[in-house]
Amino acid sequence: QSVLTQPPSVSEAPRQRVTISCSGSSSNIGNNAVNWYQQLPGKAPKLLIYYDDLLPSGVSDRFSGSKSGTSASLAISGLQSEDEADFYCAAWDDSLNGWVFGGGTKLTVL
Amino acid sequence: QVQLQESGPGLVKPSQTLSLTCTVSGGSISSGGHYWSWIRQHPGKGLEWLGHISYSGSTHYNPSLKGRVTILVDTSKNQFTLKLSSVTAADTAVYYCARDLYYDPLRRWFDPWGQGTLVTVSS
Repeated sequence: QSVLTQPPSVSEAPRQRVTISCSGSSSNIGNNAVNWYQQLPGKAPKLLIYYDDLLPSGVSDRFSGSKSGTSASLAISGLQSEDEADFYCAAWDDSLNGWVFGGGTKLTVL
Repeated sequence: QVQLQESGPGLVKPSQTLSLTCTVSGGSISSGGHYWSWIRQHPGKGLEWLGHISYSGSTHYNPSLKGRVTILVDTSKNQFTLKLSSVTAADTAVYYCARDLYYDPLRRWFDPWGQGTLVTVSS
C-alpha cells in the first residue's frame, strides 16, 4: 500500500489528452513539492516534472503538472505511442522523514 | 553531466547482507549539499525509497525497513554504498541509486538515476 495514491492504469487514444492523479496528505503533498517520474519499459525512472509544475530541460511541453491542496496531477497532451510508460509521483513526507512514492500508473496509448 | 552506476553481486543468500555500491562520475559527490539515495523496485511493482546520505554522512532511512539499512559514503572514491542485512526473498528487486537534489525543503527531487541492478535473494 503506497502512501501516495495513483490510479493503476489509464488509457487514451493518440493525439488526445490524459491526466494522472496523485493523492496524498498534509504531511507530504500538502506541505511539500511533488515530482513526477517516467519509467519507460525496461528502463530506469527519469525525472519528468519537478517542484509541482516545472519541466526539466529536454522534456516535451506536452507534459504538465499541477497541485492543489493534498493532490497533484500530471497531464499529457497530444498523446504519442512513445509516451507509453509507468508514471510515478513522489514527495517528501514530514511525518516519515523520508520520500514516499505513488504506486505508479501505467499509461496505454490505444 | 553527472552519471551514476550501481555495482555489486546479483545473487545473495538468505540471511546474508546485500551490499551495493554506486559510483558517481561527471561531478563530485561532495558538491552542492545534495543527498544520495537508494531506491528499489520489486519485480512488476512500484518504487520504494530505502534511504539517503549526504557527503558529510548525514542519513535518513525508510522506517519500514526496521533498521536493516545502512548507507555509507566514501568521498575519496566518489561512491556511496548500500548495506541491507538479514535479507529474504522479499528483498529481491532492482536497486537504483539516484542523486537526491536538495536546494531547500521544498525544492528537492531525484535526478539523475543509475540504470539499476537486479539483486536476487536465493540459496
